[in-house]
Amino acid sequence: GAVVSQHPSWVICKSGTSVKIECRSLDFQATTMFWYRQFPKQSLMLMATSNEGSKATYEQGVEKDKFLINHASLTLSTLTVTSAHPEDSSFYICSAKLAGGVLETQYFGPGTRLLVL
Amino acid sequence: AQSVTQPDIHITVSEGASLELRCNYSYGATPYLFWYVQSPGQGLQLLLKYFSGDTLVQGIKGFEAEFKRSQSSFNLRKPSVHWSDAAEYFCAVGTTSGTYKYIFGTGTRLKVLA
Repeated sequence: GAVVSQHPSWVICKSGTSVKIECRSLDFQATTMFWYRQFPKQSLMLMATSNEGSKATYEQGVEKDKFLINHASLTLSTLTVTSAHPEDSSFYICSAKLAGGVLETQYFGPGTRLLVL
Repeated sequence: AQSVTQPDIHITVSEGASLELRCNYSYGATPYLFWYVQSPGQGLQLLLKYFSGDTLVQGIKGFEAEFKRSQSSFNLRKPSVHWSDAAEYFCAVGTTSGTYKYIFGTGTRLKVLA
C-alpha cells in the first residue's frame, strides 16, 4: 500500500520549452503532496506543498511562475517547469501524505530526472 | 533554527558487520522522526518512524532506531549489514507545529564491502 508514481521517469528537453511532471497516489487519497528537488549527491530540498483544491505554498526562493503546481484531485498533482533552462536540470521527487491519516508520513515517488539542453 | 544533522557523509562497512548511522536534530517541539533509504536514481523508501511511545522502533529490512530526547538524536542501527543495504540514508524531522513539512538531513552514503 501507499504507492506513489511519477511520470515521466526521465525527460530531456530543449531550453525554453515547458515540461510537465505528474505525481499520482495509486492506492490512497492524498490531500497534501510535496515537490522536492535533489541535486547530485545532495539532500532533498522542499520546493512547494500542494493541497488539493487550493494554491500551492512555495518555499522561500522558489519561483512560483517558473514551477507551476496543480493539485486538481486527491490522487494527482502536477509540476510544470516553464521555459526550462539548463540550470533547471535536476532530479524532481514528489511525495504524498495520506488523507485523514493520523500518522504524518510522506510516501515518495520514484523521481523524475530532467535534463535541459 | 530547525535542522537535522547527519555527521557522517560516507560510511564504509564490511558485509556482516554492524552499522550505526547518526542523526541529530534541532527542533523546538516534539518532532516526528523518520529514516528513509534511497537507492541510486530512485525515490525514498520509508525504513521506520517515531511519533511517541517506545523509544526503540523497529523498521523494515532489519533496521531499528532509538530516540534519545536528552541527546536530540535518532540513530539508525542494523546488527548485520547486507551488500544490498548500500544506498543513501536520510534522516528527517516532521514538523509538528506550524506548516507541516519534512526537514531532511544531508544524508549518509553507505558502502558495503564484500
